[in-house]
Amino acid sequence: NAGVTQTPKFQVLKTGQSMTLQCAQDMNHEYMSWYRQDPGMGLRLIHYSVGAGITDQGEVPNGYNVSRSTTEDFPLRLLSAAPSQTSVYFCASSHAGGPVEQFFGPGTRLTVL
Amino acid sequence: ELKVEQNPLFLSMQEGKNYTIYCNYSTTSDRLYWYRQDPGKSLESLFVLLSNGAVKQEGRLMASLDTKARLSTLHITAAVHDLSATYFCAVDPRETDKLIFGTGTRLQVFP
Repeated sequence: NAGVTQTPKFQVLKTGQSMTLQCAQDMNHEYMSWYRQDPGMGLRLIHYSVGAGITDQGEVPNGYNVSRSTTEDFPLRLLSAAPSQTSVYFCASSHAGGPVEQFFGPGTRLTVL
Repeated sequence: ELKVEQNPLFLSMQEGKNYTIYCNYSTTSDRLYWYRQDPGKSLESLFVLLSNGAVKQEGRLMASLDTKARLSTLHITAAVHDLSATYFCAVDPRETDKLIFGTGTRLQVFP
């Protein structure tokens, strides 16, 4: 099993550009989520999904969109990047209905100029 | 607003010494998680604590949960350099898998 994979590993954007961060898991997990990690602030939940076709907002959803068309994939879209979105983004997955550990991907380091 | 506070934020300790990291949270939760993160890496699950009085141990690390005090501790015994990392606690107060993370404790173990 590859576990949770994320692409790209690094990305530099200009303000106003759009892009999609990819996340995939091969563990047949129902629950998937996106977090951002900023220095000194731990991880904060952006969006999450409990299954294909179902998504909801987390703590800091503004500026981000998600969709879940398959169990395996959970892309995160930045529609118009802003410098405040410079961060490291982690995708995580687990079986739903908990409590179980969540498995995290390797992260995407995004810089918005 | 739910807050999860860890202390200390930074810990520099000598090999062989013992120390405890504290995780306080501001609302009721019976689910608490500890994660480890190495520099530039992802998060690795260490412990899942699910009830008051729960205690789990793995090697030199032992975690406990007191839900009445809203406190979890991560105790390090006889620290070694390989334990150098950042440690995060996280709670799931609504039992929805939506984790609220603490700010992390950066641990540095020196000879």
